[in-house]
Amino acid sequence: GAVVSQHPSWVICKSGTSVKIECRSLDFQATTMFWYRQFPKQSLMLMATSNEGSKATYEQGVEKDKFLINHASLTLSTLTVTSAHPEDSSFYICSARRVGQPQHFGDGTRLSIL
Amino acid sequence: DAKTTQPPSMDCAEGRAANLPCNHSTISGNEYVYWYRQIHSQGPQYIIHGLKNNETNEMASLIITEDRKSSTLILPHATLRDTAVYYCIAPTPKFHLVSGTALIFGKGTTLSVSS
Repeated sequence: GAVVSQHPSWVICKSGTSVKIECRSLDFQATTMFWYRQFPKQSLMLMATSNEGSKATYEQGVEKDKFLINHASLTLSTLTVTSAHPEDSSFYICSARRVGQPQHFGDGTRLSIL
Repeated sequence: DAKTTQPPSMDCAEGRAANLPCNHSTISGNEYVYWYRQIHSQGPQYIIHGLKNNETNEMASLIITEDRKSSTLILPHATLRDTAVYYCIAPTPKFHLVSGTALIFGKGTTLSVSS
């Protein structure tokens, strides 16, 4: 099946620093990539939708200046959490798909801000 | 997206079939039903999807009622590794036409498989 790789899987950093998470579709060209966030014991919440070469579309309540998304190619999207604070600690999951195919997910990145 | 309703939790003995129900009484004629699962601390995994015919793959079977108001995901021989949260999703028909439409997750069913 389709593989989506996410890196890093776990990151711990100090408050105020920026953290970049990479998402790659390994065996298909993803027209669109998505970023989700999941807090403990809750379901996945869609943060933003990203199409290659264009600006990401953010869901209501998600700060676009805090969560910078770059989708430079059909196989790579990055999420940068800028000036991260403890409340940004969460499980971030990327997803990729193309028309006519199911949505495939990475294994997530657990972000802990101290 | 059509609203889906799933029981919050279910238990299953290892080796037995796990039958996970999903109610989607407001589903429209061209809305598919998708099933994903999320094992603890991992991203969701695609299982199966269908429109009106029953579907089977190497992971599971999907039984959709004739009126399409409900469906059942069947794991024929559950193992401990099948313990996960299972999500039933009926995305808008736009999902199949536009790649920029995302799946929206509800609370799902937590399946616990025990020995």
